[in-house]
Amino acid sequence: RKEVEQDPGPFNVPEGATVAFNCTYSNSASQSFFWYRQDCRKEPKLLMSVYSSGNEDGRFTAQLNRASQYISLLIRDSKLSDSATYLCVGGGGNTGKLIFGQGTTLQVKP
Amino acid sequence: NAGVTQTPKFQVLKTGQSMTLQCAQDMNHNSMYWYRQDPGMGLRLIYYSASEGTTDKGEVPNGYNVSRLNKREFSLRLESAAPSQTSVYFCASRRTVNTGELFFGEGSRLTVL
Repeated sequence: RKEVEQDPGPFNVPEGATVAFNCTYSNSASQSFFWYRQDCRKEPKLLMSVYSSGNEDGRFTAQLNRASQYISLLIRDSKLSDSATYLCVGGGGNTGKLIFGQGTTLQVKP
Repeated sequence: NAGVTQTPKFQVLKTGQSMTLQCAQDMNHNSMYWYRQDPGMGLRLIYYSASEGTTDKGEVPNGYNVSRLNKREFSLRLESAAPSQTSVYFCASRRTVNTGELFFGEGSRLTVL
């Protein structure tokens, strides 16, 4: 079982929809969490860091639930340009490893 | 602003050949990582180096060796390439093992025939 699990989707949503992605992690000592975006197997680009208090950046909201060991990403008012693969990452702490989930594919349609 | 630089960007090998993927970062980061990505698999950690002079195994280390040559450079070596190692390889760096986000190189696309 992977240390970080993510539903691969695909998620097909219409423009303007709200979509949520979740990832679960198994290492309770993990300290660092991120969401990355990847287009067409290019290098991943940071979308958001994830903090315990939750954080928001425009249409994007990330949350961390340490008790249930999951992180989430909420995208509001989806745009065509949001179509991509979204990767969650967790780790650091006692091992230093940063482990990726399998990635979730989002397709936003007109 | 080079960031993380990987070479080569593309390589075709025959089964049994060896090669080294090079990675260098100019951000004075302490930690460096090698990942591979196969279709539908996300990124899987091969090896990482928390700081200069240390290396540790990741999720899929078999068939690979690494060298943290200095603070800037972290190389990945395939001693005897196999078709199962056909993949896209990404190098990344991070300020420390517990601070900052990952910065990625553009990737190295390796095909083993």
